[in-house]
Amino acid sequence: DAMVIQNPRYQVTQFGKPVTLSCSQTLNHNVMYWYQQKSSQAPKLLFHYYDKDFNNEADTPDNFQSRRPNTSFCFLDIRSPGLGDAAMYLCATSRVTAVNTEAFFGQGTRLTVV
Amino acid sequence: AQKVTQAQTEISVVEKEDVTLDCVYETRDTTYYLFWYKQPPSGELVFLIRRNSFDEQNEISGRYSWNFQKSTSSFNFTITASQVVDSAVYFCALSEALGSSNTGKLIFGQGTTLQVKP
Repeated sequence: DAMVIQNPRYQVTQFGKPVTLSCSQTLNHNVMYWYQQKSSQAPKLLFHYYDKDFNNEADTPDNFQSRRPNTSFCFLDIRSPGLGDAAMYLCATSRVTAVNTEAFFGQGTRLTVV
Repeated sequence: AQKVTQAQTEISVVEKEDVTLDCVYETRDTTYYLFWYKQPPSGELVFLIRRNSFDEQNEISGRYSWNFQKSTSSFNFTITASQVVDSAVYFCALSEALGSSNTGKLIFGQGTTLQVKP
């Protein structure tokens, strides 16, 4: 059974129209991450939640926001998608304590902006 | 600063050949974790192995083996008797593990695309 679930798998949105991607986990991990992966590139961290604490990467555009209403769910909001935001968006979770677990990834949401 | 380098962009082998994927990392931390992930065409990142900086033992799992050498800051991955199903992009990654900066976030290498031909 999938432990990190992302919906939808494919999302097409219009230029400038807000879009929300969702992620849920059944692992009860304390940290949830959103990575952006453009074609033929490595995943790049946008931000993460350490429990309820939101941590933004310095170079993440303001256009990207996130919400974590509870331990299990995390959302990625793109307020005004541009053509350059077309990418695979990967959600991941891990348990970060004195000893870190590996990160578990969802199947990703492939975003197309038209 | 942390950095992961996978110098091999693409590798093509014929089935049953052995192949080694190279990974070199940079970090100033004394405690850190190293990972390998596989990304098949479907897009999901599949965890393969985690190694902490205090454990330099090499590991073998079936046809997969990993060689961790702190002296050269390398964490190489070998697939023995490769199969077509091994075709994927493989990422090496690093995360720091101590203090207030311990978030578990991954710094990825650029990935190596492995093509195994029948």
